[in-house]
Order: sequence, then structure tokens, then C-alpha cells
Amino acid sequence: AQSVTQLGSHVSVSEGALVLLRCNYSSSVPPYLFWYVQYPNQGLQLLLKYTTGATLVKGINGFEAEFKKSETSFHLTKPSAHMSDAAEYFCAVSDSNYQLIWGAGTKLIIKP
Amino acid sequence: KAGVTQTPRYLIKTRGQQVTLSCSPISGHRSVSWYQQTPGQGLQFLFEYFSETQRNKGNFPGRFSGRQFSNSRSEMNVSTLELGDSALYLCASSPSGRAIETQYFGPGTRLLVL
Repeated sequence: AQSVTQLGSHVSVSEGALVLLRCNYSSSVPPYLFWYVQYPNQGLQLLLKYTTGATLVKGINGFEAEFKKSETSFHLTKPSAHMSDAAEYFCAVSDSNYQLIWGAGTKLIIKP
Repeated sequence: KAGVTQTPRYLIKTRGQQVTLSCSPISGHRSVSWYQQTPGQGLQFLFEYFSETQRNKGNFPGRFSGRQFSNSRSEMNVSTLELGDSALYLCASSPSGRAIETQYFGPGTRLLVL
């Protein structure tokens, strides 16, 4: 069975600093990989996804993620954090039953 | 297009009662998935419906059930509520539920069981 691990339930960065949220997955086949974001009191929305092709994927709000097959990782980055980036971020991977397997989520805290 | 809507947004029930939550997907979307979100457990998949048929089911007891109507609207029901059922229930829709598709989430229904 596939699994998704997000390192750090909470990550705190200063405004303007690099954001790095880690996601590792276990999969025996190339998966589809997703990052979703959840702002307070809202549902989730897609930030970006990897399906095939270019391993560096650009998403909304300046975020990007790189699929590294050898490391089974799909880490999310943003060069410069804004206060509006404070939210919870979820990594997800598809499994063979067309069902998403979700990570536990990482809350991003932005310090002024 | 209108987004995914969920009703009600907030609900307070007592133990032993039952509850029905509703989800209207984006027009044209035929797949509807339900999730339970709690601080301790994160996002847990409940079930997925496509064309009025339950296609996938998560590891939840039989007290949790759902259905989908011909217009793709979906309801989920929880019977004999327990304190541990307090959670945010999220609904998501996609065109056909394929793994490659983006899921579009509603704002959720926050259920509090007293």
C-alpha cells in the first residue's frame, strides 16, 4: 500500500525567507503527485500536480515542487514567504484504485 | 462555474443522533468524494461515488453511509453519532474521479457531537 510522509506537522519561517515543505511517498510505480493548500475555515485547493513530463512543476502563488524519483520525494518550495502563505499544506499521491493517499499535513507559520 | 457547495456549514448534534450532510458538485462533475478531517487524524477518505454507484470506500464503520443522486448531488449519513465523529467533513468533486484529475473541494461541514 502506498503511503505519504510529510516531515514536520508545523514549519515556521520568517516573511521573505525560503519555504520548504517536505513530502516523501512510497510507490512501486510512477505516481501522480499533488500539493493542496487549506486556508483557515476553507476547503482545500490545488497548488500544483505532477503527472508526467517535466519534473519541476510550477503552481499558483509562486510555489513549485520537484519530483525526484530516486528519492521518492516531491518537496514544495517558494523562494520568499508572504504572510498570506500561512495555511496548512497537504501532499497526496494517487494509488492504483484511483484514490488519493494523503499526508498528515504541514501547518506553515509565517513570522513577521 | 459555481464551486462545490456543502450544507449545512455547521451542525451540533448529541450522541446517538443521526445526521445527513449534503454536497452539490461542480456542474458536469460526476465523481464525488467525502473526507473526514480531524486535528489528530488528518484527512481520512470515507467514500467516492460515480454515477450513483459507490466506487471506493475507506476504513470507516457501517454507521457512515452515502448516496449519490442522478444529478450527481451526494449526501452522507452518520447514524448513532459518537463524540469521536466531531470533525470537518469535506466533499470534493472531479469530472470522472480518475487519479490524474484535480479534486475541487467544498468549504466543509463542521460537525460537533456533544
